[in-house]
Amino acid sequence: NAGVTQTPKFQVLKTGQSMTLQCAQDMNHNSMYWYRQDPGMGLRLIYYSASEGTTDKGEVPNGYNVSRLNKREFSLRLESAAPSQTSVYFCASSEAGGLNQPQHFGDGTRLSIL
Amino acid sequence: AQKVTQAQTEISVVEKEDVTLDCVYETRDTTYYLFWYKQPPSGELVFLIRRNSFDEQNEISGRYSWNFQKSTSSFNFTITASQVVDSAVYFCALSGGTSYGKLTFGQGTILTVHP
Repeated sequence: NAGVTQTPKFQVLKTGQSMTLQCAQDMNHNSMYWYRQDPGMGLRLIYYSASEGTTDKGEVPNGYNVSRLNKREFSLRLESAAPSQTSVYFCASSEAGGLNQPQHFGDGTRLSIL
Repeated sequence: AQKVTQAQTEISVVEKEDVTLDCVYETRDTTYYLFWYKQPPSGELVFLIRRNSFDEQNEISGRYSWNFQKSTSSFNFTITASQVVDSAVYFCALSGGTSYGKLTFGQGTILTVHP
């Protein structure tokens, strides 16, 4: 059971470089999410996609873009990486719509920007 | 705006002790859901429980139990007879009526269980 798969698991970038984080889920979920986790701050929502073809901003969207390529895949792009974007990034998915569906998380991507 | 507060940053216990992790939330929504997730040292997040705002029954699952009190806006998590494998970061999260499934997380509580 793959669940939610994130690639890469680790990445080091230089300031100003661009990067796309990939996420794919095999649970036929409609909704997908990108979070970042910083020490002492829990997880914060960057962008989400309620269903294929839609995306929307979360709490901390600045400096990021997303693409919901199809139902399975939801990518996160850093156009010009900054040291403040050093973080652990988690992708998650959940069943169609609503408040009550638990989200299933990938293993995370640890991103360092020098 | 929604907010989740986990006031305990770190808790350290000895194996077999009981431990309670506190979670206090703020929301203006009348319909909302509360969640607990576990993040073991390996880094993934594991879903533990979901509770809706209309169901204040406590829940027990093995050594885990949850106490939801709407009057105090709290959703506390107790581990009975803790084990070393319980060592992890635990997150409380809230999904409210206007947020469409978007989770607001607390800061997390680092639980260390010593043998």
